[in-house]
Amino acid sequence: DAGITQSPRYKITETGRQVTLMCHQTWSHSYMFWYRQDLGHGLRLIYYSAAADITDKGEVPDGYVVSRSKTENFPLTLESATRSQTSVYFCASSQRQDSGNTIYFGEGSWLTVV
Amino acid sequence: SQKIEQNSEALNIQEGKTATLTCNYTNYSPAYLQWYRQDPGRGPVFLLLIRENEKEKRKERLKVTFDTTLKQSLFHITASQPADSATYLCHPGKGGYNKLIFGAGTRLAVHP
Repeated sequence: DAGITQSPRYKITETGRQVTLMCHQTWSHSYMFWYRQDLGHGLRLIYYSAAADITDKGEVPDGYVVSRSKTENFPLTLESATRSQTSVYFCASSQRQDSGNTIYFGEGSWLTVV
Repeated sequence: SQKIEQNSEALNIQEGKTATLTCNYTNYSPAYLQWYRQDPGRGPVFLLLIRENEKEKRKERLKVTFDTTLKQSLFHITASQPADSATYLCHPGKGGYNKLIFGAGTRLAVHP
């Protein structure tokens, strides 16, 4: 049971470069999410997706792009990385939109922008 | 704007004691509240769900209360163990995923 996997786990990139963080889930969950976690801010929602080809902005979407051509994949792209995007990124999934659905998180991708 | 407050200071307790963590929210009327555990370098893991019409929920050594009047949830770990040391996040939520907000978490350290 692989669950939800993220890659790369650790990445160092330079300012201005494009970076893509990959997320893959094996449960066929409809909903997928990207969060960033920073000290003092907790988890902040970047983008979410209700199904393939349906995405929407969360709390902090600026500077990020997502796509979801297949149910199981939800890549997050930083088009031109900035130092303020240094963070830990968590991908997550959830089965339904019923109230109180469990959110399953990946192990995180540590991104450093220098 | 909506705000979730968890004690930012670490909670240090002795093994065997009961740990109590607090989650307060403002400008929000959640239909449910979830608690997650996060270990260093790992993603959060779901622990408990309590709905707005429930006052208390228990699971083994864990107990959660939900007071919609006080806008507060309390998370208790009885007979705490060093293995309970982690950061605990609260997530007050309602239908619709555009407001999936989490508290910043409280770090619990249980000492032998």
